[in-house]
Amino acid sequence: GAVVSQHPSRVICKSGTSVKIECRSLDFQATTMFWYRQFPKKSLMLMATSNEGSKATYEQGVEKDKFLINHASLTLSTLTVTSAHPEDSSFYICSARDVTRVGNEQFFGPGTRLTVL
Amino acid sequence: LAKTTQPISMDSYEGQEVNITCSHNNIATNDYITWYQQFPSQGPRFIIQGYKTKVTNEVASLFIPADRKSSTLSLPRVSLSDTAVYYCLVVQTGANNLFFGTGTRLTVIP
Repeated sequence: GAVVSQHPSRVICKSGTSVKIECRSLDFQATTMFWYRQFPKKSLMLMATSNEGSKATYEQGVEKDKFLINHASLTLSTLTVTSAHPEDSSFYICSARDVTRVGNEQFFGPGTRLTVL
Repeated sequence: LAKTTQPISMDSYEGQEVNITCSHNNIATNDYITWYQQFPSQGPRFIIQGYKTKVTNEVASLFIPADRKSSTLSLPRVSLSDTAVYYCLVVQTGANNLFFGTGTRLTVIP
């Protein structure tokens, strides 16, 4: 149980295009999901908290107009990288917590590797 | 948020016990300690969590001294497949978001 999936696992796009990444909680409902970015050999950096039915909360330094987050249902959050540029190339990971389970562990998706040419 | 400090990297031979220590001098009363494991190009995976003393599960043990200013993740008899980055996090009770530090890159050598 408590599986989080991401789609696509890998995407290559041209500079200036937009890319949408989906994060799904497969067997539980998640009112809150989280989006992280990870550059090579670096740690995960929290970008934003996705709240079902309301606006996302962005961390300092993350442009909300650049990284659009939509959390339209209890099992799906999407991250759209708008007008992508090569510096947006990174590994994007989402996570969610199953509030019905004992404990506070978060379950992470497998990640999406974005390459912007 | 309590900052964590852990070694950047460690090497170990197969079959040995590995202990990774994390310091968190500013841990608050309602914070608990969580460890995650991450393989290359994968999302992190929860390993263990504790508040004080010792916690053990099928994967690892977590030792937390009385002052809670540090914690040690113990991996018994590591194998090559344990090569990964291990992150120590201090998480506030009730908080949802996680802040990752630099992690410890463990390399298991045959």
